[in-house]
Amino acid sequence: KAGVTQTPRYLIKTRGQQVTLSCSPISGHRSVSWYQQTPGQGLQFLFEYFSETQRNKGNFPGRFSGRQFSNSRSEMNVSTLELGDSALYLCASSLATSGNSPHEQYFGPGTRLTVT
Amino acid sequence: DQQVKQNSPSLSVQEGRISILNCDYTNSMFDYFLWYKKYPAEGPTFLISISSIKDKNEDGRFTVFLNKSAKHLSLHIVPSQPGDSAVYFCAATVPLGNEKLTFGTGTRLTIIP
Repeated sequence: KAGVTQTPRYLIKTRGQQVTLSCSPISGHRSVSWYQQTPGQGLQFLFEYFSETQRNKGNFPGRFSGRQFSNSRSEMNVSTLELGDSALYLCASSLATSGNSPHEQYFGPGTRLTVT
Repeated sequence: DQQVKQNSPSLSVQEGRISILNCDYTNSMFDYFLWYKKYPAEGPTFLISISSIKDKNEDGRFTVFLNKSAKHLSLHIVPSQPGDSAVYFCAATVPLGNEKLTFGTGTRLTIIP
């Protein structure tokens, strides 16, 4: 079974621009979560999507948004980029069902975003 | 407010010996805990998990222990192998189908041949 894939792997953007990152979950996984990893803050939860609905949200500004498609693929968007948005953005998928116990999440390799 | 803490940023262990990685948490609502391993330029890889109704879970060379009263969990790797050198993260989540993971800051484990 193919793992979680993320595109692009690397991205360089300028302050003020916007960016869209893509994630394809493991086949059959319906939940997709996004995390930001920075040296100072570690791994921080951005949001989770399940059946095309945002089910959980972390403490990030509204510039960070996402969506999930009917095939479970997900995108996240960051508008008005700031230097501090430079980070590794990780996507994870799981077999989560509605209202049940959490499942193990499987991570993709990440997208390294550099904002200059 | 760091709800999941890994107080040792790094740990070095001789090959073949036991590696013990520790994790403390402050949120008493956490009821499911996971350990992940991360190599540079890769996403975290799931290792092992434990529910709060258990105090031990074992999978091959990996064992996780949970002490709810102390809000402490540990990962034991026996025997340690060079391929175990990586950054290890513990993570926790709260009940009700919540896939949100709260991660610790990580411990870099180095296995010395």
